[in-house]
Parts: sequence; C-alpha cells; structure tokens
Amino acid sequence: EIVMTQSPDTLSVSPGERVTLSCRASQSFSGNLAWYQQKPGQAPRLLIYDASKRAAGVPARFSGSGSGTEFALTVTSLQSEDFALYYCHYYNDWPPGYSFGQGTKLEIK
Amino acid sequence: EVQLVESGGGLVQPGGSLRLSCAASGFIFSNYWMNWVRQAPGKGLEWVANIKVDGSEKFYLDSVKGRFTISRDNAKNSLYLQMDSLRDEDTAVYYCTRGGTWRSYYFDYWGQGSLVTVSS
Repeated sequence: EIVMTQSPDTLSVSPGERVTLSCRASQSFSGNLAWYQQKPGQAPRLLIYDASKRAAGVPARFSGSGSGTEFALTVTSLQSEDFALYYCHYYNDWPPGYSFGQGTKLEIK
Repeated sequence: EVQLVESGGGLVQPGGSLRLSCAASGFIFSNYWMNWVRQAPGKGLEWVANIKVDGSEKFYLDSVKGRFTISRDNAKNSLYLQMDSLRDEDTAVYYCTRGGTWRSYYFDYWGQGSLVTVSS
C-alpha cells in the first residue's frame, strides 16, 4: 500500500503570494496523482489529475508537478477563495487502489 | 451539468444497517465507474468502494469488506451502498463520486455528501 504524506499540515500565506504544497509517496509511481480543494462544509473539488493536468474550469494559477515520489501543487498569486484544505490522491491503475494524503490547510496570514 | 445527489444517511446504532443512495444526472451513468468516499468528522478522505460500469466488478476498503455492499442500477442512474454491521468508526460523511470510463482513476465529480452517524 502506498502511503501519501503531505507537508506542511498548515501553511500561512498572504493573498497575492505564491505557494507550493508538497506530497510525498512511500513508493515511486508513474504519475497517477490528483489534487483536490475542499472548503468548509463543501465536497472536495478536483483541481489537478495525472499529476499536472488541470481539471475543467480550474484557474491557470493552479499547477501540478512531480513524478516518482515527490509531487507538488503550486498556486501563484493567491486569491481569497484559495484559502482551503488541499488533498493529494494517489490512484492505482489495476486493481483499483487509492490513498489520500492527510491534507494541507492553506490559511490567511 | 453533472449532478450527484446522495440520500439515506442518518443516525443508527452500532450493529445496525443503513442504505445510501446516489442519484446521478447530466452524464451517461452507465459509462462510468462509480465510487463511495467517506470523511470522518474533522478527518481526511478515505475511499470506501467502487463498482465497474456494468456492475461486474466491485472493490472495497479492507475494513468494510463483508459488511458493505456497493451496487448500481444503470436503468435508474443510481448508485447504492448497503452498510451492515455498522461500527462507531464508520461515522462519516459519505460522498458519491464519479470515476473514469476505462478505469476508476481520479474522482472528477462529487456529491454533496450524506452524514452517517453510528452511535448508541
């Protein structure tokens, strides 16, 4: 089982800044990684899939990168609506297998 | 517009049963893998189960195997989760999510969630 670890648990940043959230895997894999954003009381929203592809309707300030065991979500020029919880998600091809990171909370400094 | 609407959650005693439903619309339901993902209060996300497009294959989180059953009715565009022998640790918001067409992969659409509380 692949274990996903996100860092840091909480990140305090100011609007307008650039921020990078990290996600590390316990084993290397090809790039089956997604990122989700979750706001209080809401369901998660898909931001990035296949490590670097933006989902439909996601602003260009969100980008994903990485391979192997190290993945990152970068948000340039943070907007007020970007302060939320972010989860990384590994998905195996076959048989289906999934592992989520514990989440990183992005809060206003 | 893709919509997933869960129902059936509520309060149940340990050892009890509950059946969640998810009504899908806005896409060809029978073309997609479907999943249940849960989130315990104040905790992270945990995949629970998924089902192939035609219902012929199903996969489960180890801790729910033998207790939960996922099913679908493509004629009714609906996904279900039968939960038996419920435990305190099953308390969570349960989300219905859409997977891919060929494989389940990532979850591109999520319902609003249905809260299941297991408590005496």
